[in-house]
Amino acid sequence: GQQLNQSPQSMFIQEGEDVSMNCTSSSIFNTWLWYKQDPGEGPVLLIALYKAGELTSNGRLTAQFGITRKDSFLNISASIPSDVGIYFCAGQEAYAGGTSYGKLTFGQGTILTVHP
Amino acid sequence: GAVVSQHPSWVICKSGTSVKIECRSLDFQATTMFWYRQFPKQSLMLMATSNEGSKATYEQGVEKDKFLINHASLTLSTLTVTSAHPEDSSFYICSALLRAGANYEQYFGPGTRLTVT
Repeated sequence: GQQLNQSPQSMFIQEGEDVSMNCTSSSIFNTWLWYKQDPGEGPVLLIALYKAGELTSNGRLTAQFGITRKDSFLNISASIPSDVGIYFCAGQEAYAGGTSYGKLTFGQGTILTVHP
Repeated sequence: GAVVSQHPSWVICKSGTSVKIECRSLDFQATTMFWYRQFPKQSLMLMATSNEGSKATYEQGVEKDKFLINHASLTLSTLTVTSAHPEDSSFYICSALLRAGANYEQYFGPGTRLTVT
């Protein structure tokens, strides 16, 4: 099946620092999404990207959909303690009707630790 | 908007019993929902796609007779773990597919922690 390579696997940073993580795929996706998951909870959608080359911001978060459609990155600026958690990228297959559409392929996750 | 709930949030059951987990889209209708399983410090693993009014589509290696899925309405999908065993203990998460214009986004529930003793 399709695989997403997400890096880095973990990051330990000081409060106030900027963070960058990325995902690459061997195949093309029509949509890239970034989620954050806190311990014991479900993932929360942070940013959705629909067009190749698209650059989208959500507060201190910025994400880009690579022009090849095979990669995406997420940047967090001026990190704060509540940014701690696991960040997942996910590629979504094109909606084509039927019974197998909209499926997500997840990256392995990036564990972010922010030291005050 | 785009809120998905799960019930229960955690459950402990004895080996051999069955457990039902509910997934509801609270403020939108979802013809498609997904069920995932997640082990500690690992990514989400898709188990099956739940389609309203039709049979679920299971991923390779997932036993459909063990993990029964029913998508009875546009806001409710249920996952029943039948004859549960300790190896079924895991964090089960559902998601619902929301149409946003020409695009589709998945919104996740808070998860259900299943412990089989």
